[in-house]
Amino acid sequence: DIQMTQSPHSLSASLGENVSIECLASEGISNYLAWYQQKPGKSPQLLIYYVSRLQDGVPSRFSGSGSGTQYSLKINNMQPEDEGVYYCQQGYKYPLTFGSGTKLEIK
Amino acid sequence: EVLLVESGGGLVQPGRSLELSCAASGFIFRDFYMAWVRQAPKKGLEWVATISTSGTTTYYPDSVRGRFTISRDNAKNSLYLQMNSLKSEDTATYYCARRVRENYAHLAYWGLGTLVTVSS
Repeated sequence: DIQMTQSPHSLSASLGENVSIECLASEGISNYLAWYQQKPGKSPQLLIYYVSRLQDGVPSRFSGSGSGTQYSLKINNMQPEDEGVYYCQQGYKYPLTFGSGTKLEIK
Repeated sequence: EVLLVESGGGLVQPGRSLELSCAASGFIFRDFYMAWVRQAPKKGLEWVATISTSGTTTYYPDSVRGRFTISRDNAKNSLYLQMNSLKSEDTATYYCARRVRENYAHLAYWGLGTLVTVSS
């Protein structure tokens, strides 16, 4: 199985700050990497898929990059509604696997 | 608008069975792979099963293979998850989800989830 290692486990950021979350795959996943946001008591929401494709309706302050085994999610100009838990997910090979999550809070 | 509504969750004893359902609307159901993903209380996301558009191909992680069965009825726009031999570690909120598009195993639409509690 492909292991997805996210870092950091948690972070706090000030409004307007730029934030970055990393995801490391245990083997190459050919850019089949997605990012999800989950708010308390809510279902996950797809933000980005295939490394950098923004899902419909997602603000452009979210962006994704990476290749091979290393990927990152960047949030520019942190907003209050960006608080939540962020998960990466590889869609390259079954079983599909998620990272353990990064909790993002407002400082 | 894409809508996925899960049902069938509840309290069940270890070793017993339960079937979850997901009613889909707002898109051409037969054109999309569908999946179940679960989340144990205060834990992360765990993929549970995926089914192809026709239903002929299914995928499972080792943790549920042989106990869970995913199926679909394209005429009824419905997805199912038959769960047998349930264990306490199967306790979770179960989400029905749809792929973002063909050839990408990323999940763009999710239901609100249905809670399954396995306990005596």
